[in-house]
Amino acid sequence: GAVVSQHPSRVICKSGTSVKIECRSLDFQATTMFWYRQFPKQSLMLMATSNEGSKATYEQGVEKDKFLINHASLTLSTLTVTSAHPEDSSFYICSAEGQKQETQYFGPGTRLLVL
Amino acid sequence: GNSVTQMEGPVTLSEEAFLTINCTYTATGYPSLFWYVQYPGEGLQLLLKATKADDKGSNKGFEATYRKETTSFHLEKGSVQVSDSAVYFCALSVPGNTPLVFGKGTRLSVIA
Repeated sequence: GAVVSQHPSRVICKSGTSVKIECRSLDFQATTMFWYRQFPKQSLMLMATSNEGSKATYEQGVEKDKFLINHASLTLSTLTVTSAHPEDSSFYICSAEGQKQETQYFGPGTRLLVL
Repeated sequence: GNSVTQMEGPVTLSEEAFLTINCTYTATGYPSLFWYVQYPGEGLQLLLKATKADDKGSNKGFEATYRKETTSFHLEKGSVQVSDSAVYFCALSVPGNTPLVFGKGTRLSVIA
């Protein structure tokens, strides 16, 4: 099946710093990528949908100035958590959808811990 | 709106037991239905899917049948293994509105 990677897999940072998470589709072109957030023992919450070359669409309640999303190419989307705070600590998961829009393929996730 | 309801866990079974995880949905239009599995510390993996009524998705011994009349997509496996211990998410996607809608997940623990 299709492969989606995320980097880094785990990051620890100090409060107030910014963290960038990369999501790559390795063997297919992803016209759409999704960013999710998962709190411990809870389901995934969609944060935003990004289409290559256009601005991301954020879900209600998600601060677009805090969670910057860039989808510059058909194989790469980045999520930057700006001025991170401890409450931003979470598991961030991306998914990518190919041009046929049949199935989303998920990355392995990035665990962010803000101290 | 679109939503997915799945049975709450945790579910604890002995090895070789029969597994059923219930999932029902509400949706506008005709959704595609999915089961994803999340192993400890990892992201989600697609387990199986069905795109129209009466379709049966199957993979690794797991099965689920798209039942339009009962709006259900229950996950079953005849004989679970310790390696099946994970969190299972039921999800739907409506054509033209591709973000997945997830259930809350069901944690399965299989003990030897």
